Amino acid sequence: LAKTTQPISMDSYEGQEVNITCSHNNIATNDYITWYQQFPSQGPRFIIQGYKTKVTNEVASLFIPADRKSSTLSLPRVSLSDTAVYYCLVGGTFWNSGNTPLVFGKGTRLSVIA
Amino acid sequence: IAGITQAPTSQILAAGRRMTLRCTQDMRHNAMYWYRQDLGLGLRLIHYSNTAGTTGKGEVPDGYSVSRANTDDFPLTLASAVPSQTSVYFCASSESWTSGNTQYFGPGTRLLVL
Repeated sequence: LAKTTQPISMDSYEGQEVNITCSHNNIATNDYITWYQQFPSQGPRFIIQGYKTKVTNEVASLFIPADRKSSTLSLPRVSLSDTAVYYCLVGGTFWNSGNTPLVFGKGTRLSVIA
Repeated sequence: IAGITQAPTSQILAAGRRMTLRCTQDMRHNAMYWYRQDLGLGLRLIHYSNTAGTTGKGEVPDGYSVSRANTDDFPLTLASAVPSQTSVYFCASSESWTSGNTQYFGPGTRLLVL
C-alpha cells in the first residue's frame, strides 16, 4: 500500500500560486494520484486526479514526473476561500482480501492570508 | 441529486450504549466507506464495502461493525461505545473499488461519547 508524505502546513498570500508536493515512493503501476480538499466541518471534496505527466482542470493543475514517486498540486492565484486541508492519495487496487482502498494521510493545512 | 446523506448530524452518547450511524447514497455506487476524523490524525478508514453483500476492514475497525444489505445503505454500528470513539464520522462512496475512482463524501456525523 503506497504511503504518502506531504507538508503539514503552508501559508500563502492571496493572489499567489501555491504548490503542494506529495511524496509516494512505493506507488504501484496501476495506482492513480488523487487530491482532495476539505473545509472545516465538511467532508473532503475531489479536486483533481492523474496518472502521469500533467492534468489541468478549472480548479488546479497536477504535475506528475516520469518516475511517479511524487506529485505536485498547483493552485493558481489562491484566495481566502482556498484555505483548507489538502489531501494527497494514491489509489490501491483490490486484488485479494486484506488489501485496503485509498488511504488518507494527515493532509496539508493551507492558510491563505489577505 | 442528494448524493450521500448521513444521520444523525450529531449525537451525544453515554459510554456502553449501542449506536448506529446511518449512511445512504442515491448514486448507485458500488463501493462505500466509513472514515473517522480526529484532530491531528486526518481521516482513517474504519470499514469498506466494494459491493452489496461484502464488507472489509480498514485501518481502525475495532469496536465497529458494518453491513451492506443493499447498494444504497451502509450503516456503521458501535456495539458498546467508548470515549475514544468520540470523533467525526464520514461516509463516502465511489463508482467502484478500483484505483482511479473518485470518492464522494457525506456531511459527517459528530459523535461525543461520555
